[in-house]
Amino acid sequence: QVQLQESGPGLVKPSQTLSLTCTVSGGSITSGNHYWTWIRQPAGKGLEWIGRFYTSGSTNYNPSLKSRVSISIDTSKNQFSLKLRSVTAADTAVYYCAVAGALNAFDIWGQGTMVTVSS
Amino acid sequence: QSVLTQPPSVSGAPGQRVTISCTGSYSNIGAGYEVHWYQQFPGTAPKLLIYGNTNRPSGVPDRFSGSKSGTSASLAITGLQAEDEADYYCQSYDTSLSGSRVFGTGTKVTVL
Repeated sequence: QVQLQESGPGLVKPSQTLSLTCTVSGGSITSGNHYWTWIRQPAGKGLEWIGRFYTSGSTNYNPSLKSRVSISIDTSKNQFSLKLRSVTAADTAVYYCAVAGALNAFDIWGQGTMVTVSS
Repeated sequence: QSVLTQPPSVSGAPGQRVTISCTGSYSNIGAGYEVHWYQQFPGTAPKLLIYGNTNRPSGVPDRFSGSKSGTSASLAITGLQAEDEADYYCQSYDTSLSGSRVFGTGTKVTVL
């Protein structure tokens, strides 16, 4: 059974780049047809889809974040990563990595990591 | 601002049936795209509850059911239990947002 674990700094200064990594265990990040995805949730608010990296190599991003975000994978480490540039306080949230496979739904989630943007 | 609208809250007594609506448009649910539902307890990651409009993953009790009609979808919980008190989110795909996956606004279910 695939498991996901987010990691990265819990505090980022305004205008800097938020960088998070999701480590995949129990399976290969290159096997099958999967959408490796980042989702975030500000405190007390709903879920926001950030973007995804498809196994084929293509990416899709939320239009509201597209100019600042990039998602990539490192097959040697079985990880995928999120970079969000020029962050502001509005980017403070719990960030989840998740994967969608055969069910076309996010059936596996990481536990989430809290990122605060503050000076 | 989400393109999928849910009621902020619903409540019911134990044993009752509650439904949560997810209202979209012709660029998402109405275009025939699948709706998925997630359950989230405070401080934890969401869990897939319903996929492909009506299907339950293994381990999800059959008191949870999903349906879809036109530009809307619904999640029903029959025989409401105290352990069902949580937040629920619908999710679909939207063609007007460059292929984005979109989540509903979320609904808090309270068991009275």
